Amino acid sequence: QSVLTQPPSVSGAPGQRVTISCTGTSSNIGAGYDVHWYQQLPGTVPKLLIYGSVNRPSGVPERFSGSKSGTSASLAITGLQAEDEADYYCQAYDNSLSGWVFGGGTKLTVL
Amino acid sequence: QLQLQESGPGPVKPSETLSLICTVSGGSISSGSYYWGWIRQAPGKGLEWIGSIFFTGSTHDNPSLKSRVTISIDTSKNQFSLNLRSMTAADTAVYYCARLFGGYRYGYVDYWGQGTLVTVSS
Repeated sequence: QSVLTQPPSVSGAPGQRVTISCTGTSSNIGAGYDVHWYQQLPGTVPKLLIYGSVNRPSGVPERFSGSKSGTSASLAITGLQAEDEADYYCQAYDNSLSGWVFGGGTKLTVL
Repeated sequence: QLQLQESGPGPVKPSETLSLICTVSGGSISSGSYYWGWIRQAPGKGLEWIGSIFFTGSTHDNPSLKSRVTISIDTSKNQFSLNLRSMTAADTAVYYCARLFGGYRYGYVDYWGQGTLVTVSS
């Protein structure tokens, strides 16, 4: 059971918009800590997708965006493409555990 | 370009200690701007933070690993290492070393090693 809760799977057709939620508690997201998102394509190393809850690293398409409110965060992907099919993970700091926590991951399927 | 490379002895037997080294190239591990850490991923499962270390030797580790973790740093070799004691089959995973940017509480991984699969088997 992960400290941050993500839906196990989401899906969408090419061109559509999907969102992936990351629900935490008052000791992590709700405490004001930043949420970061990673994309892991099949068989590859995770890659930073969103940092500081809303920022995209250089090279990440504008189709990917992050938001945070209260004890939750979301990753939105617009204009879905087949190459977006991957696992997505959220990550934050938890002050009751005094360490980093990850969501359980969400598998995105492009129909 | 910063690169991180994990190295280790291969398969581990139950109850033994896993020892992994991460060699950093293309940048100094002594930079005060970053933490360095270990993250693992069991087959078909999600990511799990193991622990982190600063160049001063200050460490943080995952309490769920019940004090089995030791992380150390050797700035003269530009390496940091992981020891995980009392290994069981549940510790079978790909182990990644990583650079952590943005401080310990607000940080994230901006560089990953390629990962090394550690299998615990008798």
